[in-house]
Amino acid sequence: DVKVTQSSRYLVKRTGEKVFLECVQDMDHENMFWYRQDPGLGLRLIYFSYDVKMKEKGDIPEGYSVSREKKERFSLILESASTNQTSMYLCASSLTGTNSEQFFGPGTRLTVL
Amino acid sequence: QKEVEQDPGPLSVPEGAIVSLNCTYSNSAFQYFMWYRQYSRKGPELLMYTYSSGNKEDGRFTAQVDKSSKYISLFIRDSQPSDSATYLCAPCMVMDSSYKLIFGSGTRLLVRP
Repeated sequence: DVKVTQSSRYLVKRTGEKVFLECVQDMDHENMFWYRQDPGLGLRLIYFSYDVKMKEKGDIPEGYSVSREKKERFSLILESASTNQTSMYLCASSLTGTNSEQFFGPGTRLTVL
Repeated sequence: QKEVEQDPGPLSVPEGAIVSLNCTYSNSAFQYFMWYRQYSRKGPELLMYTYSSGNKEDGRFTAQVDKSSKYISLFIRDSQPSDSATYLCAPCMVMDSSYKLIFGSGTRLLVRP
């Protein structure tokens, strides 16, 4: 049973803080993704990684960075959190393949005050 | 114009009704078409995917794609209260050695007992 876990379900941070969101998958998937989900906008891709130490920008990478030091772990970093980064953050992983299913974690609800 | 448009709902139906959920898309490069289901406070999970125009059936669910009109549908027969969730369409395009999903904003479905 595929499992994608995220470090926190709810997080409250202050403007300007550095924020780390952690994601771990246990199925040896090559690909990992970070999305944010906002009402009316759906899921938008922030960054993805198709291998250890590899990363690619998604559609909205500004204000974010990522780290993938191990295959099972993909971290999203908000260098200096801002109120417009208040959102639901979802991590996903998948095998390599053009129609490969993405498995999602439960999400982290981040509020930046 | 968004690449993928989806009516946000909510769509409220009585138990046993046939449900029709729809998406339109603008990019003819999409090759695969996926439907994800997201229960409240959970991450999305893959429900179905299709590759070409036409219908694909899986139990009570039928996915339909019309590439000529760029229209995607998901039909649910004999709907159950457990089908109450948000349904996200996600067309997929293949790019070089990777792929990209574009998620619709989701339609919230409520099936009343």
